[in-house]
This record gives sequence, C-alpha cells and structure tokens, in this order.
Amino acid sequence: EAQVTQNPRYLITVTGKKLTVTCSQNMNHEYMSWYRQDPGLGLRQIYYSMNVEVTDKGDVPEGYKVSRKEKRNFPLILESPSPNQTSLYFCASSSRGYRAGGDTQYFGPGTRLTVL
Amino acid sequence: GDSVTQMEGPVTLSEEAFLTINCTYTATGYPSLFWYVQYPGEGLQLLLKATKADDKGSNKGFEATYRKETTSFHLEKGSVQVSDSAVYFCALSSLYNQGGKLIFGQGTELSVKP
Repeated sequence: EAQVTQNPRYLITVTGKKLTVTCSQNMNHEYMSWYRQDPGLGLRQIYYSMNVEVTDKGDVPEGYKVSRKEKRNFPLILESPSPNQTSLYFCASSSRGYRAGGDTQYFGPGTRLTVL
Repeated sequence: GDSVTQMEGPVTLSEEAFLTINCTYTATGYPSLFWYVQYPGEGLQLLLKATKADDKGSNKGFEATYRKETTSFHLEKGSVQVSDSAVYFCALSSLYNQGGKLIFGQGTELSVKP
C-alpha cells in the first residue's frame, strides 16, 4: 500500500531533550516536506526537500533540522525542544522534485508532540 | 503573497442537507487547487483537486469547480452524511511558490447530526 508513515504518533517530552520524528514514504517520491498544524494558524511548512541531499527552509524553520540521506526518509530533528514547538506535525511527499508546485502531496498520519 | 481564505466554522448540518464550504484564493499565475479532509484523530487526505480553470474535481459525492474569474473553489455536496463530519481544508500550490509548498486555508469544521 502506497503510504507515508510517521513515528511516533504521540510524544510527550521535556524542554531541551533532543528528539527525532521519522518520516518514510514507499512511493519513490522525490519531494518531501514537513508541516506543523496549530489552532488558528492552520498548516505551515517547516522544511522541504526536492531530492536526496537537497533541503531548504520553509516558512517556520527555527528550532528544527532535517536531513535527506535516502530518498524514502526525511526525519525531523528538534535539537532542543521548547514548549512553543508543541504542535501536530505532518510529513508529506509528492512525486515531482524540481518544480513540485502544483503537484498532489500525500500526507502521513501526523505526530502529536507535547513539550513540557 | 499567495493566500487561501475559507469560510469559518464550525458548520453544523442535519443528515441529507446540502453542503457548501466557500473558498477563495489569491495567487500569482495559475495554481492547482485542492480540498483535503481531516477526520478526527487522522491525517490529511486528498479529497479532490483541479489543476486549471473550469476544471471540476469530484470524489465521494463532493464537487468543486475551479473558477478563475471569481478566484474561487467552493466545496459542495448534495446530501451529507454523519460520516462526513471532519475538518475540510482548501489549499493551493503553484509553480511560483518557493519550495512547492501547499498554502492552506484555516480549515472548516463540519459536524453532521443524525
């Protein structure tokens, strides 16, 4: 089954404790992206990747890191989480890399993160 | 910059009622338009899309027509069911958007009562 998977689905942590949220897709997609969803603010892009080893900042990259060493995986790293990073996080992928705009993005199930 | 505006919710309807969720957009060029749905506790699923003016996207009884002259992409369904209760997001994506990102509206929560 074609899908985007994320782990963990739920995470409660404390300020400053490094964490990684994994994202994997089995559709051989070139483009992957991370969004966060917050009440009243909708979904906002954190980082994106056009292809392996090609990543760039979205609208709200502060406090996050990403890497794209393999085509299928795109982990989101919070080196020193803070309470304002409490949010619902979604990973997404689409087939096109370069000029991905306009293409359909497929979303993972989401990771609900709470930072105390 | 590009933006999407949706009608605010929550919207509460009785089963079999007609649904309209308004969506208008501002964009450079000719974006693709999408409706995504988020059921309680789940991720976003693509409901339908349209890639050019006058295209009609449809799925599961939902429809939306890409109206360039009014910059709108309103979602409609003739007869809603309890199982349609969810949050609906209108979104756009354009070749002119840096990073190929989706730009979302705020979401409209729909509650359908038996």
